[in-house]
Amino acid sequence: NAGVTQTPKFQVLKTGQSMTLQCAQDMNHEYMSWYRQDPGMGLRLIHYSVGAGITDQGEVPNGYNVSRSTTEDFPLRLLSAAPSQTSVYFCASSYSPGGRTGELFFGEGSRLTVL
Amino acid sequence: QKEVEQDPGPLSVPEGAIVSLNCTYSNSAFQYFMWYRQYSRKGPELLMYTYSSGNKEDGRFTAQVDKSSKYISLFIRDSQPSDSATYLCAMSAGDSWGKLQFGSGTQVVVTP
Repeated sequence: NAGVTQTPKFQVLKTGQSMTLQCAQDMNHEYMSWYRQDPGMGLRLIHYSVGAGITDQGEVPNGYNVSRSTTEDFPLRLLSAAPSQTSVYFCASSYSPGGRTGELFFGEGSRLTVL
Repeated sequence: QKEVEQDPGPLSVPEGAIVSLNCTYSNSAFQYFMWYRQYSRKGPELLMYTYSSGNKEDGRFTAQVDKSSKYISLFIRDSQPSDSATYLCAMSAGDSWGKLQFGSGTQVVVTP
């Protein structure tokens, strides 16, 4: 059982470039989300989705776009990368109530550096 | 001011000692409390989950919630080098999506 799979694991971008971080889960979870983790800041929610076709903003959505066309996939798009977006990004999923109450399954993370 | 405060550590203990971790919070609406464990360069994994106040025990791990003091704790008994990780507390009111709040994490090092 693969769980939550994120690609790529590492990426270096130049300022202004765009890219997509991929996230896929095989647990048939309705709830999926993207977090960024920065030193001393903990995990901060970027965007989340409660089902295919439904997305919403989290705490730090600026500079990121998401879409949810299938239950399994939830890609995160960086529109025009900035050095402030250098971070470790985690995708997480959950059965529906867990998305409200905090029982999340995380991927292994994608480390992004923006020069 | 952050809604959830957690000492970043590092907390260094000898093997076999009791590890004591805690978080304080300000939002009295929180009623779901979690501890996640995160190994270096890995994603967080759910370790303990508690609803409302009280204690919960799972093997060497005990989670405590004191809602009157807005304080939660995690105790690790008979600590092992494999317990070396960052421990993140998290909490939610459970009433809306996207409102899970994480602490910044405490790094624990258990030395043999």
